[in-house]
Amino acid sequence: EAQVTQNPRYLITVTGKKLTVTCSQNMNHEYMSWYRQDPGLGLRQIYYSMNVEVTDKGDVPEGYKVSRKEKRNFPLILESPSPNQTSLYFCASGERDTFYEQYFGPGTRLTVT
Amino acid sequence: AQKVTQAQTEISVVEKEDVTLDCVYETRDTTYYLFWYKQPPSGELVFLIRRNSFDEQNEISGRYSWNFQKSTSSFNFTITASQVVDSAVYFCALGSGQNFVFGPGTRLSVLP
Repeated sequence: EAQVTQNPRYLITVTGKKLTVTCSQNMNHEYMSWYRQDPGLGLRQIYYSMNVEVTDKGDVPEGYKVSRKEKRNFPLILESPSPNQTSLYFCASGERDTFYEQYFGPGTRLTVT
Repeated sequence: AQKVTQAQTEISVVEKEDVTLDCVYETRDTTYYLFWYKQPPSGELVFLIRRNSFDEQNEISGRYSWNFQKSTSSFNFTITASQVVDSAVYFCALGSGQNFVFGPGTRLSVLP
């Protein structure tokens, strides 16, 4: 089954404790992206990647890091989480041939206290 | 800068009514893509449609139809004969290159 998986689905952590949210896709897509969803703001793009070792900032990259060492994986790293990073996070993947029509993961709800 | 506006924050309709969700976008790019996604109460994001900037044909898929008008920078979504299962948050999105901007969403409630 074609899918994007994220782990963990739920995470409660404390300010400053480094965390990683994993994202993996099995569709051999070149493009992967991370978004955060906040009430009234829709989804905002954090980082995206066109291919292995190629990443670019989206609209809200501050406080986040990503890496793309393998085509299928695109982890999101919060080196020192803060309460304003409490949000619902989505990973997505897509292909240039379909104009980046994106398939989304199930979401990770992060709470930083 | 790119921007997507969905002026309707929440809409409530009674089942079988038609409803139109508005989407207005801003971009200086000549090549771009427009999307609609559905987010049901379960939380996942479901792709509904994609339109390219050079393809202004409207589209109908079952009870769903989309009206793309470059002249007014709009990409509106109409649900005909709405059903309770259509209750969800609907997002309009604009893509240019690999960068995407989503609107704030419209919460649609379809009452039985």
